[in-house]
Amino acid sequence: KNEVEQSPQNLTAQEGEFITINCSYSVGISALHWLQQHPGGGIVSLFMLSSGKKKHGRLIATINIQEKHSSLHITASHPRDSAVYICAVSLGDTGNQFYFGTGTSLTVIP
Amino acid sequence: EAGVTQFPSHSVIEKGQTVTLRCDPISGHDNLYWYRRVMGKEIKFLLHFVKESKQDESGMPNNRFLAERTGGTYSTLKVQPAELEDSGVYFCASSRSNQETQYFGPGTRLLVL
Repeated sequence: KNEVEQSPQNLTAQEGEFITINCSYSVGISALHWLQQHPGGGIVSLFMLSSGKKKHGRLIATINIQEKHSSLHITASHPRDSAVYICAVSLGDTGNQFYFGTGTSLTVIP
Repeated sequence: EAGVTQFPSHSVIEKGQTVTLRCDPISGHDNLYWYRRVMGKEIKFLLHFVKESKQDESGMPNNRFLAERTGGTYSTLKVQPAELEDSGVYFCASSRSNQETQYFGPGTRLLVL
């Protein structure tokens, strides 16, 4: 069983819709990361969270440490938001390597 | 500031051949990580360098994989001999410290036939 579970696996939305992607994890973490990968592109870090909420433009990420759960929200979605969104956690040990979810493939239709 | 670069972007080899992947981290980043995503699965950790030293290589699948980071700059990951199950996308990431976010390279897509 993977330490990080994401849902949904695939998501299709109409332009302008509010989107939520969920991430649950089963281990104690030092930080949770939301990453984005556009088709054919590299992986880009969107957020690094250890508590509370962060906002960047139309993207909002929240984390509930007690419930071991995080959400990534996209407001007023746009076709250029179409990408794979990946949740990853780091445990805070000396290595701090990431443990990844399987990703959520988002398609926003004009 | 240049990002993390990886070479080659794609590699197609036959089973039994050798392939060497290269990663150039962001200048000044002591921490370098190798990850791999095989078809349909999540990205998994392979190993972590701090400067030229292997901090953690617990994710290396077997002794056909050899990673080096001589001089603490770029790193290579050699697969010898390659097997079919080694096919996937190999990502490299770097960070200044192990408490900061990691910056990912574009990945090397390896196909073993």
